[in-house]
Amino acid sequence: KQEVTQIPAALSVPEGENLVLNCSFTDSAIYNLQWFRQDPGKGLTSLLLIQSSQREQTSGRLNASLDKSSGRSTLYIAASQPGDSATYLCAAHTQGGSEKLVFGKGTKLTVNP
Amino acid sequence: EAGVVQSPRYKIIEKKQPVAFWCNPISGHNTLYWYLQNLGQGPELLIRYENEEAVDDSQLPKDRFSAERLKGVDSTLKIQPAELGDSAVYLCASSFAGATEAFFGQGTRLTVV
Repeated sequence: KQEVTQIPAALSVPEGENLVLNCSFTDSAIYNLQWFRQDPGKGLTSLLLIQSSQREQTSGRLNASLDKSSGRSTLYIAASQPGDSATYLCAAHTQGGSEKLVFGKGTKLTVNP
Repeated sequence: EAGVVQSPRYKIIEKKQPVAFWCNPISGHNTLYWYLQNLGQGPELLIRYENEEAVDDSQLPKDRFSAERLKGVDSTLKIQPAELGDSAVYLCASSFAGATEAFFGQGTRLTVV
């Protein structure tokens, strides 16, 4: 059974700092890994999708990496802004009989002005 | 292009009453998911559709929950009767095919009193 863990559970940083969010998964048999952002009371916004054959993906100030063999992914946010404050969720898309996104509990990020 | 649309956004009902949630996926997306998100947790899969076929409903509490996706487009999730423990956010997501990028709706926040 796939399990996804995100560390830390919460993070508070000053504006302008570069930061890294961590995601680990127990089963390397995945199609892809997807990072989402969730604002309070809102749905999930897709940020980046990394295919299992890829090592990283970039979108603006965001860079996500994937090391499938070690079961790890990181989301790097450069030059953080107060508008980046949200909960960030990673999800592993499992292979096999039950194909689905398995989510971590998220990292709640606060960027202070 | 419109995203995944869910309604209602909020619903308050008394326990033992029925409730239904509606989802309209992104046009052309064959895969539709219903997820349940409890406070402070990551979403968990309830049911996955490929076109009109429910291909994974193993996590759906079938004694009280039901779902349908007529004509392989819109979907409805129903709870009858609702229990206090059903209070949560119900999220709908869609993707072009099973393991491609998933897009989520805004969710329906259910409160059972």
